[in-house]
Amino acid sequence: GEDVEQSLFLSVREGDSSVINCTYTDSSSTYLYWYKQEPGAGLQLLTYIFSNMDMKQDQRLTVLLNKKDKHLSLRIADTQTGDSAIYFCALRGGGFKTIFGAGTRLFVKA
Amino acid sequence: DAGVIQSPRHEVTEMGQEVTLRCKPISGHDYLFWYRQTMMRGLELLIYFNNNVPIDDSGMPEDRFSAKMPNASFSTLKIQPSEPRDSAVYFCAFLYTGELFFGEGSRLTVL
Repeated sequence: GEDVEQSLFLSVREGDSSVINCTYTDSSSTYLYWYKQEPGAGLQLLTYIFSNMDMKQDQRLTVLLNKKDKHLSLRIADTQTGDSAIYFCALRGGGFKTIFGAGTRLFVKA
Repeated sequence: DAGVIQSPRHEVTEMGQEVTLRCKPISGHDYLFWYRQTMMRGLELLIYFNNNVPIDDSGMPEDRFSAKMPNASFSTLKIQPSEPRDSAVYFCAFLYTGELFFGEGSRLTVL
């Protein structure tokens, strides 16, 4: 089945950029997502990219997709303490199952 | 997330007891999902429904787990009998314009 891998932790200083990486195995994924989870809450969609795109920018967020290497990344510019959360990479193919990575816990130091 | 109401938010029960988790999504969306989140296994898809019909339950751990969706605005996930390894946060979500909208989850602790 589909495998989605992320590193578990990332620590950055406030004001620096954060880069969260994700690798996956299923090249047929059509939609690639980044979700954010704050403590005690459900997941919320941050941004997404279609598989026919290489890059998408949305304010402080930049998503890069390397289809050849099956690698997805999320860059957060000017990281703030409010960005501390767990970030999930998720993929969906032509069907309706969305498969999530284990999540990367981002710590932002003031 | 007002789009999905889950109850109870927290439940503590003893091994062997029956647990029923409830989900009320905004009606009118065709796909409803149940996920389980643990530290060890992350976010796992348990089952999803389309038009109230279970489509894929391959993620349901074992026969102790069952899910129903009697109508478009209500679903239940039942565990009977519960075991300590079922302790997790259980999320319900619906799909709309390609995005999953999650409830805030039900945190289950089985002692």
